[in-house]
Amino acid sequence: VQLVQSGAEVKKPGASVKVSCKASGYTFTAHYIHWVRQAPGQGLEWMGRINPNSGATDYAQKFQGSVTMTRDTSISTAYMELSRLKYDDTAVYYCARQNFGYDFDPWGQGTLVTVSS
Amino acid sequence: QTVVTQEPSLTVSPGGTVTLTCASSTGAVTSGYYPIWFQQKPGHAPRALIYSTNNKHSWTPARFSGSLLGGKAALTLSTVQPEDEAEYYCLLFYGDAWVFGGGTKLTVL
Repeated sequence: VQLVQSGAEVKKPGASVKVSCKASGYTFTAHYIHWVRQAPGQGLEWMGRINPNSGATDYAQKFQGSVTMTRDTSISTAYMELSRLKYDDTAVYYCARQNFGYDFDPWGQGTLVTVSS
Repeated sequence: QTVVTQEPSLTVSPGGTVTLTCASSTGAVTSGYYPIWFQQKPGHAPRALIYSTNNKHSWTPARFSGSLLGGKAALTLSTVQPEDEAEYYCLLFYGDAWVFGGGTKLTVL
């Protein structure tokens, strides 16, 4: 079971970024995928989750209107798109699978998104 | 806005015992918040040690245990080892959202 994320990105302020998270080793549609970010030297921040089976999403209030989580079940991949990027969106973005029993494992390796002019 | 509070930092001697706590601004933490405890070392992704209050993974050392204590979720490390020095985060479930605590930097000294 593993989650493999797309590579690092550098974006300008105001642009959008889309990070992918490819799942393998399990039935993709059976488990929520969550997205978590960590700014440099800071703590973990839950952004939201997607139900890969239905496509239903829940977003943290802070990210309502700026984040969109989607999935493509044909390739077992979840996506997180963040729009209207600001400098303080610079962070490592992680995806994580929610297991039965309310557990988060495994995690992707993380994707560094740098917002810079 | 819901806030989850952890001790910013704690120091423990090797071989000692330390308890980290996780409080919710909404009131007492119960099992219905499904507390999860993560360990994170620099440059690595977090890894869950404890889930649903007190359940361990196969890789969780026996010296780690989770509980509810005085209205908070708690992570207790017994017989602390130098390799336990890390950042620890709790995560709580609020129905349609999850919220992380700010993290506890544990120093083994």
